[in-house]
Amino acid sequence: DAGITQSPRYKITETGRQVTLMCHQTWSHSYMFWYRQDLGHGLRLIYYSAAADITDKGEVPDGYVVSRSKTENFPLTLESATRSQTSVYFCASTYSYEQYFGPGTRLTVT
Amino acid sequence: DQQVKQNSPSLSVQEGRISILNCDYTNSMFDYFLWYKKYPAEGPTFLISISSIKDKNEDGRFTVFLNKSAKHLSLHIVPSQPGDSAVYFCAASAPNTGNQFYFGTGTSLTVIP
Repeated sequence: DAGITQSPRYKITETGRQVTLMCHQTWSHSYMFWYRQDLGHGLRLIYYSAAADITDKGEVPDGYVVSRSKTENFPLTLESATRSQTSVYFCASTYSYEQYFGPGTRLTVT
Repeated sequence: DQQVKQNSPSLSVQEGRISILNCDYTNSMFDYFLWYKKYPAEGPTFLISISSIKDKNEDGRFTVFLNKSAKHLSLHIVPSQPGDSAVYFCAASAPNTGNQFYFGTGTSLTVIP
């Protein structure tokens, strides 16, 4: 299917564990983004990427790492998960002034 | 610091009536504004946008109004339908910011049949 896919859709992990959220797009859009959605905060930008091998921090990057070796993939890694990272994570890409979002990953850190 | 604000967390409207969702921003460099709609367990989907050179953009039942002097935009839905029940986010972008979008906190709209 064309578009943005995220995996897993749901994940439960323990404090201190490393976890990677995957994002794949089929359009070859240059720009890709990771957001987290929390009640009362809306969507907050974690990291973004302008192209393969080019990434930059957003509003809330602490505790997260990204990489982008291929245009179509933009994984987000929590190096040592904390309970404050319990959230819904959305990946997005941009084309022609519009952002297209994936379905989200609900992450729970226990 | 929240640059885009939606001060109403929720709104209830009768079917057939008008829904008005509001959004305020603080950054005068924003030149493009968008509204997104989000259903539970799905990602946000683009609804309508407006450039800062315009003050109104219409698409079917949806109209976005921009008041640059007040740094305020609103989304009007007429007539409202039960399928419009969702969370609506406004977003803004500025030139030379790497395609970054700044989102509001969202307004949950409920259209009552």
